[in-house]
Amino acid sequence: DAGVIQSPRHEVTEMGQEVTLRCKPISGHDYLFWYRQTMMRGLELLIYFNNNVPIDDSGMPEDRFSAKMPNASFSTLKIQPSEPRDSAVYFCASTPRLAASKNIQYFGAGTRLSVL
Amino acid sequence: DAKTTQPPSMDCAEGRAANLPCNHSTISGNEYVYWYRQIHSQGPQYIIHGLKNNETNEMASLIITEDRKSSTLILPHATLRDTAVYYCIGAGFQKLVFGTGTRLLVSP
Repeated sequence: DAGVIQSPRHEVTEMGQEVTLRCKPISGHDYLFWYRQTMMRGLELLIYFNNNVPIDDSGMPEDRFSAKMPNASFSTLKIQPSEPRDSAVYFCASTPRLAASKNIQYFGAGTRLSVL
Repeated sequence: DAKTTQPPSMDCAEGRAANLPCNHSTISGNEYVYWYRQIHSQGPQYIIHGLKNNETNEMASLIITEDRKSSTLILPHATLRDTAVYYCIGAGFQKLVFGTGTRLLVSP
């Protein structure tokens, strides 16, 4: 398996623009997680899905952030409008169904977002 | 999630064992201890987890004290590629909360 695939790897945009980050989880994994990592705040969970349904979005910073999972093989994280403080590395992770293994997560390589 | 405490940094010579400690004195009975690592510019990578018993896999060994208040991750023969930030996480069947971890530097 190719693992969790994220695109793009790097994104540079200007303040106010819409940004869409993409993630393809490992086939057969039922859970998908979006994280954000910054020097100041470390690695934070933004939202996670189970069987394409958002379960916990309490980590989403504000209404400018939205995430969708239209099917089992694709998810997006959208920021509209983007702000410089959104600059970070965004990771996607997935994990299979078993309860104990929900916390054995497989991470993608991340998308490094720079908002100018 | 249980609060965990790890030293901010450690050094290890290549080929020697790296022993990374973690305190989790508030861990509850149904919470596992998970270890992840993050090599520079990569996503976190799962290493190992355990509940009460010591565990070993192809990457590492996990030693959990009998009272479960602390644990040690052991990399038996550290290589330069093991240089990374290592995260110890106490968690049940809910989301992982990553702390600041231990930055392990393996030197020749």
